[in-house]
Amino acid sequence: QKEVEQDPGPLSVPEGAIVSLNCTYSNSAFQYFMWYRQYSRKGPELLMYTYSSGNKEDGRFTAQVDKSSKYISLFIRDSQPSDSATYLCAMSIRPGGYQKVTFGIGTKLQVIP
Amino acid sequence: SAVISQKPSRDICQRGTSLTIQCQVDSQVTMMFWYRQQPGQSLTLIATANQGSEATYESGFVIDKFPISRPNLTFSTLTVSNLSPEDSSIYLCSAAHISGNTIYFGEGSWLTVV
Repeated sequence: QKEVEQDPGPLSVPEGAIVSLNCTYSNSAFQYFMWYRQYSRKGPELLMYTYSSGNKEDGRFTAQVDKSSKYISLFIRDSQPSDSATYLCAMSIRPGGYQKVTFGIGTKLQVIP
Repeated sequence: SAVISQKPSRDICQRGTSLTIQCQVDSQVTMMFWYRQQPGQSLTLIATANQGSEATYESGFVIDKFPISRPNLTFSTLTVSNLSPEDSSIYLCSAAHISGNTIYFGEGSWLTVV
């Protein structure tokens, strides 16, 4: 079993839809959770960062962490064609500067105009 | 955050040769890392580049194949030696401040071995 499971997709949605991206994990010691966006032929770009359980909102993006279920989500409201990219979840036991960060495989999202 | 520049951005190399990738960060960072991203696989940590000392390698990666240097706080190189087609991948440099909570990535170096 992988430490972090993420459906690779692809996920196709119409413009304006609400997108839900999810990851599950097996290591209950993970406390720091991140979402990265990666456009084709580019490096990953940090989107959201959360610590422990709870929600965090930034514009059209909301990150949720449910540690009891070992489940994290990223919601994108009013999705735009420019949101078309691969979304990687990532997590670590200590802050990323201190310790190895474990990544999901990434979900490829396509927003259709 | 940190702005991370990598070069080359892409290269096509012959089997048996080596490629050295350079990574420059715009500020002094404590931690620098090298990742590999292969098609259909998650980002995999190769090693942590330590300033002035030998890199710390993850299981499955060895210094002879992936020698790494980090002469100062803002610069690192990764060499992929004795290239084979299986080394075709994206190689990503990343960095973090010790006081930061997460890591940032460069644009990646796309390597194709023929």
